[in-house]
Amino acid sequence: SQQGEEDPQALSIQEGENATMNCSYKTSINNLQWYRQNSGRGLVHLILIRSNEREKHSGRLRVTLDTSKKSSSLLITASRAADTASYFCATDVWIGNQFYFGTGTSLTVIP
Amino acid sequence: GAVVSQHPSRVICKSGTSVKIECRSLDFQATTMFWYRQFPKQSLMLMATSNEGSKATYEQGVEKDKFLINHASLTLSTLTVTSAHPEDSSFYICSARPSLAGGLTDTQYFGPGTRLTVL
Repeated sequence: SQQGEEDPQALSIQEGENATMNCSYKTSINNLQWYRQNSGRGLVHLILIRSNEREKHSGRLRVTLDTSKKSSSLLITASRAADTASYFCATDVWIGNQFYFGTGTSLTVIP
Repeated sequence: GAVVSQHPSRVICKSGTSVKIECRSLDFQATTMFWYRQFPKQSLMLMATSNEGSKATYEQGVEKDKFLINHASLTLSTLTVTSAHPEDSSFYICSARPSLAGGLTDTQYFGPGTRLTVL
C-alpha cells in the first residue's frame, strides 16, 4: 500500500498546549498536504507544502517536510478545544497522478 | 473557493441492489477525480483515479467490476456500487483536481462525502 503512516494514532492534550503529529511516507512526492476531519464529516484542507520547501506556517499551524527522511510534521500551537478532530497527511505522488492519505492522528483537546 | 458536491449525501439500500454516487465540480473543470472509501475511525483509502474520457485506474484490491466509475464529462464522475452487500457500507468521498492549460494544479477539492448503509 502507498498509504503513509502517522503517529501518534491518538493524542490528548490540555487546551493551550502544543500538539505535534508526524507523518512518514514511502515514495517521491510532488507535495504533501494536511487535512482535518471532524467526526463523520468531510475534509478541511489545512496546508500544502511542496517537495522543495522545508517549512511552512499558517496561523497556529507549522508544517515541516524532510524529503530525505520522507517525513513531515504538523505542529498546532496554543491548542483550543475546537481543534479536536482527526488529522491526516496526504501525499501527492508524481507518477500516476495519485493522492494517498496517512493513517491519521486523532487529537483531543481538553478544555 | 472551488466547490465539489456529492449526491446523495446519505443512502440506505437493500443487499443486492446497486447504488450510484455522483461527484460534481461546480465551478471548475476537472480532468482527474479521485474516489476514496473511509471506514469508521480509519483513514481514507484511495479506491480509484478517474480520468475524463478514459478508463479509471483502480488501486490494488479494489474490484473494478464491483465499483464502476464513469467520468463522462469534465465536471462529473460517478461511482456505482454494484450488487451492494453490508460490507460495502462505508463513507465514500470524492475529490477533484482542477485542470489548467499546461497541466494539473496542486490543489484538490473534496466533496462532503456519501454515507452508504447496506442492509
